[in-house]
Amino acid sequence: DQQVKQNSPSLSVQEGRISILNCDYTNSMFDYFLWYKKYPAEGPTFLISISSIKDKNEDGRFTVFLNKSAKHLSLHIVPSQPGDSAVYFCAASGTSGTYKYIFGTGTRLKVLA
Amino acid sequence: DTAVSQTPKYLVTQMGNDKSIKCEQNLGHDTMYWYKQDSKKFLKIMFSYNNKELIINETVPNRFSPKSPDKAHLNLHINSLELGDSAVYFCASSQGGSRGTIYFGEGSWLTVV
Repeated sequence: DQQVKQNSPSLSVQEGRISILNCDYTNSMFDYFLWYKKYPAEGPTFLISISSIKDKNEDGRFTVFLNKSAKHLSLHIVPSQPGDSAVYFCAASGTSGTYKYIFGTGTRLKVLA
Repeated sequence: DTAVSQTPKYLVTQMGNDKSIKCEQNLGHDTMYWYKQDSKKFLKIMFSYNNKELIINETVPNRFSPKSPDKAHLNLHINSLELGDSAVYFCASSQGGSRGTIYFGEGSWLTVV
């Protein structure tokens, strides 16, 4: 039962354009969401997070949007750079104290120079 | 100075052997995790410890036994290794349960032959 889904396994974007990565979740108890970036042979590294009390959070080139009614979040990268080429995972957690993060299956982003 | 470090990074071993992966975090976090990334690249939680106490034990064969001697360490011991145990195992830590950012180690690539 996949509670966090990233339906696009891969995405190619031209350098300088916007990359939009999508994530859907099914559990309405999730209220904290994170995005991670992963290069080959390395561990996932934290990018940006959002709490369910917000619908947008921005950090430099990265913006995460949350649509609670649709149970959907997206990560926007503007402008995309070749160094952004990696696998991106979204993750969700529920009520504080559950000590559990559920990850999506990842989207491989390739930024073309 | 690595925040979450795990050893070994690569491990090739024969079926039936017993092996351990060690993990240490220097972030002062109270919660540590083991995640498994299988051939489908799906990051799935195995165990979570909070202040040395087991909090989460997902559906994992009891050949896998985590041990947390203190808050900064969470080791994973695997008995009677099987071919299907081949995967990348990530250690991680966070502060504040599922409200904090989770930080990952670089992963341990286990290959069972």
